[in-house]
Amino acid sequence: NAGVTQTPKFQVLKTGQSMTLQCAQDMNHEYMSWYRQDPGMGLRLIHYSVGAGITDQGEVPNGYNVSRSTTEDFPLRLLSAAPSQTSVYFCASRRKETYEQYFGPGTRLTVT
Amino acid sequence: AQSVTQLDSHVSVSEGTPVLLRCNYSSSYSPSLFWYVQHPNKGLQLLLKYTSAATLVKGINGFEAEFKKSETSFHLTKPSAHMSDAAEYFCVVRFTGTASKLTFGTGTRLQVTL
Repeated sequence: NAGVTQTPKFQVLKTGQSMTLQCAQDMNHEYMSWYRQDPGMGLRLIHYSVGAGITDQGEVPNGYNVSRSTTEDFPLRLLSAAPSQTSVYFCASRRKETYEQYFGPGTRLTVT
Repeated sequence: AQSVTQLDSHVSVSEGTPVLLRCNYSSSYSPSLFWYVQHPNKGLQLLLKYTSAATLVKGINGFEAEFKKSETSFHLTKPSAHMSDAAEYFCVVRFTGTASKLTFGTGTRLQVTL
């Protein structure tokens, strides 16, 4: 059981570039979420999904897209990277019945 | 407005002394409450959770937290700190009626000194 996996661990982008952060879970969890973590701000929800084919916006969705074609995968796309998107990104998943989230190890993204 | 506040951004204790990390929330209803721990360069791990059962909740690694509705608090405690407890701790709240959304506090960094 790998839990929640994220790739890459580190990424450096130039302003305007696009990329996809990958997230996968092998626990058959219905709910998956993407957060960004910035110093002094805790974690903020970007997008979430309550099941395959269903996604919704969180607190800070601008500049990011998601899709959920399978239960296991929930990629996060940066359409045109900006320095303000420099952050650590965490993917999380949980069962529908509980609120206990399982977090991936994170992706540290720097946009120059 | 519903919110969660961690009162200290940084707490320093000596090894072997008690730990108290404070968390208050603002809500008219009893929410679900969690404490997560994040060790350096790692993801978050659940320490404990309160979901309307016993008000004193025991978690992993000797931590516990008490839900006090009258004070709208959910402070995290440990009788005796260990060096391995040095990490960032997040109080997390699911407010009634917010479905999937969890609200994170801004975190408290715990430093443990010899």
